Amino acid sequence: AAGVIQSPRHLIKEKRETATLKCYPIPRHDTVYWYQQGPGQDPQFLISFYEKMQSDKGSIPDRFSAQQFSDYHSELNMSSLELGDSALYFCASSLAPMEAYEQYFGPGTRLTVT
Amino acid sequence: DAKTTQPPSMDCAEGRAANLPCNHSTISGNEYVYWYRQIHSQGPQYIIHGLKNNETNEMASLIITEDRKSSTLILPHATLRDTAVYYCIVRAEAAGNKLTFGGGTRVLVKP
Repeated sequence: AAGVIQSPRHLIKEKRETATLKCYPIPRHDTVYWYQQGPGQDPQFLISFYEKMQSDKGSIPDRFSAQQFSDYHSELNMSSLELGDSALYFCASSLAPMEAYEQYFGPGTRLTVT
Repeated sequence: DAKTTQPPSMDCAEGRAANLPCNHSTISGNEYVYWYRQIHSQGPQYIIHGLKNNETNEMASLIITEDRKSSTLILPHATLRDTAVYYCIVRAEAAGNKLTFGGGTRVLVKP
């Protein structure tokens, strides 16, 4: 079965640079979520989109922005990168936000800021 | 979303059943109990979820107490590949379906 695709899988950036992470949800899924997992920490919710509209927002820094496109893929844009942004970034997708549909996670993008 | 409490770690013998407890005493009537696991640095994996009835799928069984204040995830025949951090998450529909991960139980399956 098709899974959530994330690209790139690994990314190395320097401080103050920008990064763009991409997420391709499972076919037919209309909702995407972004989570950040720092070293030794639990995943933390950043933001979600349903039908191309932001549906919920967590502890996402103002330096980050995200959007969902007409084909339902999503991009997380990160600017003025800081060392503390080094983390695993997971994207998940589900069929709808208002029903108890499970979220399926991608393999993650490991971002390293030097 | 309601807070959950899980033991930080537990060991399990390969081939035996693993019973993972979770307390969620402040759960509301419309909140579901979800279980996810994360194998080292991989994306969290959905296991099972339920509202008030016991549930079973090919991976596990979920037993929810009648008052819904606690639940138990049962892995019927643990294998070494089941070694992971298991998260019990209570999710309210009004919260936009986000998952709030906290703590979890680090399960080590031993041969």
